[in-house]
Amino acid sequence: DVKVTQSSRYLVKRTGEKVFLECVQDMDHENMFWYRQDPGLGLRLIYFSYDVKMKEKGDIPEGYSVSREKKERFSLILESASTNQTSMYLCASSLSIQETQYFGPGTRLLVL
Amino acid sequence: SQQGEEDPQALSIQEGENATMNCSYKTSINNLQWYRQNSGRGLVHLILIRSNEREKHSGRLRVTLDTSKKSSSLLITASRAADTASYFCATRNTGANSKLTFGKGITLSVRP
Repeated sequence: DVKVTQSSRYLVKRTGEKVFLECVQDMDHENMFWYRQDPGLGLRLIYFSYDVKMKEKGDIPEGYSVSREKKERFSLILESASTNQTSMYLCASSLSIQETQYFGPGTRLLVL
Repeated sequence: SQQGEEDPQALSIQEGENATMNCSYKTSINNLQWYRQNSGRGLVHLILIRSNEREKHSGRLRVTLDTSKKSSSLLITASRAADTASYFCATRNTGANSKLTFGKGITLSVRP
């Protein structure tokens, strides 16, 4: 079974802090994704990566950056957290960009 | 950018009844996927149907796809309280690197 893990289930940060969200998958998947989920807005893609050191902007990349130094790990970085980045963050991975995505449990981030 | 739109937004049924959820989309797709999300958790992939398929089954799940109407339906037969969750359709447009686009989700409540 594919396992996607995220470093924290819940996180509380202050405005202006730098925040790192880590995601690790154990199935040698090429593709990894970061989404945020907000009530009434569904899932929105922030960034994705189709290979080590490669990244592509999603629909809402502003205020975020990512890092993929190893195949199994995809990090989401909030350079200077703001209150409007309070959200549920979901990481996913897939073998092929066309196919099924496997999701982690999510990180609920609160920015005060 | 929203592609799939689910209908209804919320559904409440009695245990043992069937639940039907619909998804409509606007542009040509490569495949359509349904996911489930239990409260506060990550998404779990349920079923994928390709554009050249009309119907697929998986246990108590039945998915249909009508590309002429640009719509899909997810039927859960003999529902159980454990089916209570949010259900999302996600569409993969045609195109080599097209992303998966999620709808806003349907909240299903199954009363025991």
